Amino acid sequence: AQSVTQPDIHITVSEGASLELRCNYSYGATPYLFWYVQSPGQGLQLLLKYFSGDTLVQGIKGFEAEFKRSQSSFNLRKPSVHWSDAAEYFCAVAISNFGNEKLTFGTGTRLTIIP
Amino acid sequence: DTAVSQTPKYLVTQMGNDKSIKCEQNLGHDTMYWYKQDSKKFLKIMFSYNNKELIINETVPNRFSPKSPDKAHLNLHINSLELGDSAVYFCASSPRGYEQYFGPGTRLTVT
Repeated sequence: AQSVTQPDIHITVSEGASLELRCNYSYGATPYLFWYVQSPGQGLQLLLKYFSGDTLVQGIKGFEAEFKRSQSSFNLRKPSVHWSDAAEYFCAVAISNFGNEKLTFGTGTRLTIIP
Repeated sequence: DTAVSQTPKYLVTQMGNDKSIKCEQNLGHDTMYWYKQDSKKFLKIMFSYNNKELIINETVPNRFSPKSPDKAHLNLHINSLELGDSAVYFCASSPRGYEQYFGPGTRLTVT
């Protein structure tokens, strides 16, 4: 079965600093990969997705992620974080199963921004 | 316009009661889901429906029963509520293509 690992439970960065959130997946073939963000008390918002093609994908709010097959990773990056980026970030993988697609989520990384 | 909406946003009830959570999407998607997010923020799929047909039924107690009256609605009914059912329940919808769009969540507290 597929699995997703987000090794960092909590990350603190200064406003204006760069950010990288790690995500590793376990699956035999190339999965479909996603990053979602959850602000406090809110639902999940899709930041970006990777299906195929260019391994560097751009998302909303200035985020990008890079798929590295050799490392089974899909790390999320942002060159300069803003206080409003403080939230919980989830990496997810979707596996096709003849119409039974479902997302498997990582355990999340909580991002705190300090002034 | 809200794409995926859920009611109620908060639900506080006592053990043993029966409650329902409603979900509606106006995105025209064929597939809808229910997820449970526990106190540690872990998200796990419970059910999915495609065009009113149950597709995924994870290992969920049969006290939980989803109902899809049409492809824009997916409701979740929970019988005989237990303390362990306290969580945030998210509805989501998806076109064919895997990306899912989530509702704002319903925080269920069982006392």
